[in-house]
Amino acid sequence: GAGVSQSPSNKVTEKGKDVELRCDPISGHTALYWYRQSLGQGLEFLIYFQGNSAPDKSGLPSDRFSAERTGGSVSTLTIQRTQQEDSAVYLCASSLGTGTSGNTIYFGEGSWLTVV
Amino acid sequence: QKEVEQNSGPLSVPEGAIASLNCTYSDRGSQSFFWYRQYSGKSPELIMSIYSNGDKEDGRFTAQLNKASQYVSLLIRDSQPSDSATYLCAVRVPSGGSYIPTFGRGTSLIVHP
Repeated sequence: GAGVSQSPSNKVTEKGKDVELRCDPISGHTALYWYRQSLGQGLEFLIYFQGNSAPDKSGLPSDRFSAERTGGSVSTLTIQRTQQEDSAVYLCASSLGTGTSGNTIYFGEGSWLTVV
Repeated sequence: QKEVEQNSGPLSVPEGAIASLNCTYSDRGSQSFFWYRQYSGKSPELIMSIYSNGDKEDGRFTAQLNKASQYVSLLIRDSQPSDSATYLCAVRVPSGGSYIPTFGRGTSLIVHP
């Protein structure tokens, strides 16, 4: 596609429910990133994929968070047993690569999650 | 110490003035430096990237990088009210064989008519 596509754009869920957030990166981009931004806060790195593998999962805040990427394209971020502190916008970004060129990351519009 | 530091502001400048935004980073192995603009309720959009020491100009924007001082800045000339936004500095920081785009918390810029 022309840009990074995320769905849903907005999600309201009850505490304790599981949610899935989807990201479709720019066509041809091999690297994919998930960030979280709470209200008024900076971007918190969650996880990074190169192809289908996740070399860096260091940012996942707890074992309730998991992510996968299949076919080197679409990625899904899953949050199990959601808590109110999970309320945030979840931003997906992609880049052509990770070397010294073509490594600019481009963001999707985000998935706004509200846990009530 | 956070890996990427920015003054949160707000930075207030009059229309037509030069706005100067600053960012420091802690890891000397960092490569690739970016400035993004984020309007309230929107996702970050790229303004400029800079990879080597010196200045890089693009229209009203100039990015400056000084790796020895671990410092990157963004100058906005002839500031317009539409430039009012949060400006995010991003640095690719080495982590486990990769370089992870790491963001500062952003500087809020207000351009008043």
